[in-house]
Amino acid sequence: KNQVEQSPQSLIILEGKNCTLQCNYTVSPFSNLRWYKQDTGRGPVSLTIMTFSENTKSNGRYTATLDADTKQSSLHITASQLSDSASYICVVRGFGSASKIIFGSGTRLSIRP
Amino acid sequence: DAMVIQNPRYQVTQFGKPVTLSCSQTLNHNVMYWYQQKSSQAPKLLFHYYDKDFNNEADTPDNFQSRRPNTSFCFLDIRSPGLGDAAMYLCATSRVTEDTQYFGPGTRLTVL
Repeated sequence: KNQVEQSPQSLIILEGKNCTLQCNYTVSPFSNLRWYKQDTGRGPVSLTIMTFSENTKSNGRYTATLDADTKQSSLHITASQLSDSASYICVVRGFGSASKIIFGSGTRLSIRP
Repeated sequence: DAMVIQNPRYQVTQFGKPVTLSCSQTLNHNVMYWYQQKSSQAPKLLFHYYDKDFNNEADTPDNFQSRRPNTSFCFLDIRSPGLGDAAMYLCATSRVTEDTQYFGPGTRLTVL
């Protein structure tokens, strides 16, 4: 069964600190992986998209990595800000017979001053 | 700015009373999606339109219907809302199904 699992479920860090969120998937064959940020009460907003051949992609203080062999991705946030408090959702699209989009349950990140 | 707009942002309805949620887009995207998201859960795809072609997910209850009268607008109709239908309903669009989806702000539905 195609699945996307994220960890941790929730995370609290102090402002200015770095953190890393994890996403493991079993979707196969794999097409691409996206990280979305969802502020409370808002719709998700795309941060990065990575395809099979990409290992790292950055968007400001957000850096996503992908290891397609181990089917793992991470989202690293550098020098966190209060505005980074949100849910971060990993979304994986399969290819061919697995072409559906599979959403992870998200990691709820809280930044404390 | 090009965007995805959902109205209303908050909707309260009574058990069994039909309700319609609205989504409009200025992106001129071909695909429009409706998702249901319950607290602390991932969004769940209900259905999507590729142009006028309607694609229903296998496990979407018959209670949920959709209309897309033109490229810009898409509606979600809940014929007889139950307490379990209380959720955030997200509309999203994409140029084609493989592209990044752009989400609206969502409509929070409360069923009394």
